[in-house]
Amino acid sequence: EDQVTQSPEALRLQEGESSSLNCSYTVSGLRGLFWYRQDPGKGPEFLFTLYSAGEEKEKERLKATLTKKESFLHITAPKPEDSATYLCAVQVGGFQKLVFGTGTRLLVSP
Amino acid sequence: DAGVIQSPRHEVTEMGQEVTLRCKPISGHNSLFWYRQTMMRGLELLIYFNNNVPIDDSGMPEDRFSAKMPNASFSTLKIQPSEPRDSAVYFCASSFRPGLAGGSSYNEQFFGPGTRLTVL
Repeated sequence: EDQVTQSPEALRLQEGESSSLNCSYTVSGLRGLFWYRQDPGKGPEFLFTLYSAGEEKEKERLKATLTKKESFLHITAPKPEDSATYLCAVQVGGFQKLVFGTGTRLLVSP
Repeated sequence: DAGVIQSPRHEVTEMGQEVTLRCKPISGHNSLFWYRQTMMRGLELLIYFNNNVPIDDSGMPEDRFSAKMPNASFSTLKIQPSEPRDSAVYFCASSFRPGLAGGSSYNEQFFGPGTRLTVL
């Protein structure tokens, strides 16, 4: 069965304190790995898509990387506005079906 | 661009009642997805459509759940009869999927604001 596991479940950082979120997966036939951000009371917002091991993508203070078994979302010098739940998802099979992890709740304190 | 529109935003109903959730995808998108989010199970795909045709409904919990997409700009998710364990936030998402020539490809899914359903 395709599985996505995110860690930690929750993370509290001080403003400016860099860290990484982990997404490990066991799937048959990975077609892509996706990171989303979700704010309370809102739908997930797309951040990145990674397709192959070794690929990296950056957006402002966020950088996503991918290996054959896991992905990391690195947050450099976070700000309070980066506080959100970060979701990882994998695309399996030939269609657009996504399997999501349960997310990491990030709180950045000023 | 209005984004994905869902209604109602909140729904409180009693066990046994019929519930209908509505979704308007982004204009021009040809794929539509219904998800359910709970604290215990996270975000789960219920069903998705491509060009108004259901492609995979393996995530639909049971026969009490049904979904339709009568045209490219409207979809419904119906629960009849509703039960307390159906309480969750239901999201609709849409994307544009190019044709299959040369292999599959993926475009990002845009999520609506969700409908928070409470079944008493």
